[in-house]
Amino acid sequence: KAGVTQTPRYLIKTRGQQVTLSCSPISGHRSVSWYQQTPGQGLQFLFEYFSETQRNKGNFPGRFSGRQFSNSRSEMNVSTLELGDSALYLCASSLRTSSYNEQFFGPGTRLTVL
Amino acid sequence: QQQVKQSPQSLIVQKGGISIINCAYENTAFDYFPWYQQFPGKGPALLIAIRPDVSEKKEGRFTISFNKSAKQFSLHIMDSQPGDSATYFCAAKRPLETSGSRLTFGEGTQLTVNP
Repeated sequence: KAGVTQTPRYLIKTRGQQVTLSCSPISGHRSVSWYQQTPGQGLQFLFEYFSETQRNKGNFPGRFSGRQFSNSRSEMNVSTLELGDSALYLCASSLRTSSYNEQFFGPGTRLTVL
Repeated sequence: QQQVKQSPQSLIVQKGGISIINCAYENTAFDYFPWYQQFPGKGPALLIAIRPDVSEKKEGRFTISFNKSAKQFSLHIMDSQPGDSATYFCAAKRPLETSGSRLTFGEGTQLTVNP
């Protein structure tokens, strides 16, 4: 069974640009959550999508947005990039049928903003 | 507001020793406490998890101890091996109907096991 895949794995952008990251969940998983990982702030929850609807949102500015498609694949968009957006962006998928479902993380997309 | 506090930030242990990582939480609504292991270049992977209705859970060399009254839980790695060298994150989760799949993570512990 294939794991969670994220593309691209590495990305370099300049301030002011926008970026789109993609996440393909494990087959059968309908929930996709996004996290930002930085050395200073650790792992911070961005948002969760389930059945093409945003279900939860973390404390991030509106420049961070996402969507989910009917096949459960999800994209995350960051507009007007800032230097502080440099981070590892992780997505995680789960069945979301129970509070105790395991969440499986992808390898992440390393975003560098210059 | 950091709802899950983790310590120590880094830990060095000799091969065969016991590694202990501690976490404390504030929100009593949390009802699921997983530990994740992350190797460089990889995403976090679930190691072991516990619910607050039990005080201890053991899987192989890994044990979670849970103290509900103190709002603390810890990971013990017995017979630590160099292959255990990684970053460990504790996490906490509220019920699905409250906050979905959202995990709140501790700051992480960089574990180094010397051969």
